Amino acid sequence: GQQVMQIPQYQHVQEGEDFTTYCNSSTTLSNIQWYKQRPGGHPVFLIQLVKSGEVKKQKRLTFQFGEAKKNSSLHITATQTTDVGTYFCAGKYGNKLVFGAGTILRVKS
Amino acid sequence: DAGVIQSPRHEVTEMGQEVTLRCKPISGHDYLFWYRQTMMRGLELLIYFNNNVPIDDSGMPEDRFSAKMPNASFSTLKIQPSEPRDSAVYFCASSTRDRENYEAFFGQGTRLTVV
Repeated sequence: GQQVMQIPQYQHVQEGEDFTTYCNSSTTLSNIQWYKQRPGGHPVFLIQLVKSGEVKKQKRLTFQFGEAKKNSSLHITATQTTDVGTYFCAGKYGNKLVFGAGTILRVKS
Repeated sequence: DAGVIQSPRHEVTEMGQEVTLRCKPISGHDYLFWYRQTMMRGLELLIYFNNNVPIDDSGMPEDRFSAKMPNASFSTLKIQPSEPRDSAVYFCASSTRDRENYEAFFGQGTRLTVV
C-alpha cells in the first residue's frame, strides 16, 4: 500500500544548530506536502512541492523534492526555540494524503 | 471562516460504550478526511469523502468504526463498541481543489480516552 517513511523519529538540537528530516516513498508521488504540529496542537500546512527536483524556501526552511518524486527533505538553518514541534511530510497519492510518522524536534536554548 | 470545527474536544468513556465524534468542515471544501493520531502509529488516514461520498475507507480499523457525511457541512465518526485501544486523538481535516496547494486544514482534534 501507499506508505511514506520519515526519519529521524526524534532530534534534539542546540539552538542555532541545523536540522534536517527526510521522507521516502516506495512509489512515485503526485506531490508532497509538509506540515508542522506544535505540542498539543494540530497539523498546520507549510508548503507543497509538485515538480521533480523542486526546491522551495521559507525564511530558514528549505524544502526539496527528489528528481524521481519519491523522496523529500526539510532543512532548517539555525534552529530557534520557536521551531519546536513535529514535522510531517505527507505524500499525495491521487486524492489521498498519507502522512509520514513525523520527526519530533526539540531545541535547547 | 472559523476553520474546521470538531466536537467534543475531549471524551472519556467506558469500554463498550458508543462514541460519536463530530466534524464541521470549512464551507465550500469538498474533501473531508478523518485521521487518528497515536504515539505508536502516528497519523493514520481512516477514511475520506469527496462531495459527501466515501471514497476510501481502507484505513478504518474494523467494523466497530463507521463514518458518515449526510451533507456538505457535517460528518461523524462512530465507534461502537469502544475499546481501550481506540484511545487516541482523532482529527478531521477538509480541503478543496480550488486552492492552489489543495492543502488539508485540520480541526483541533478530539482526544478520546476509553477506560
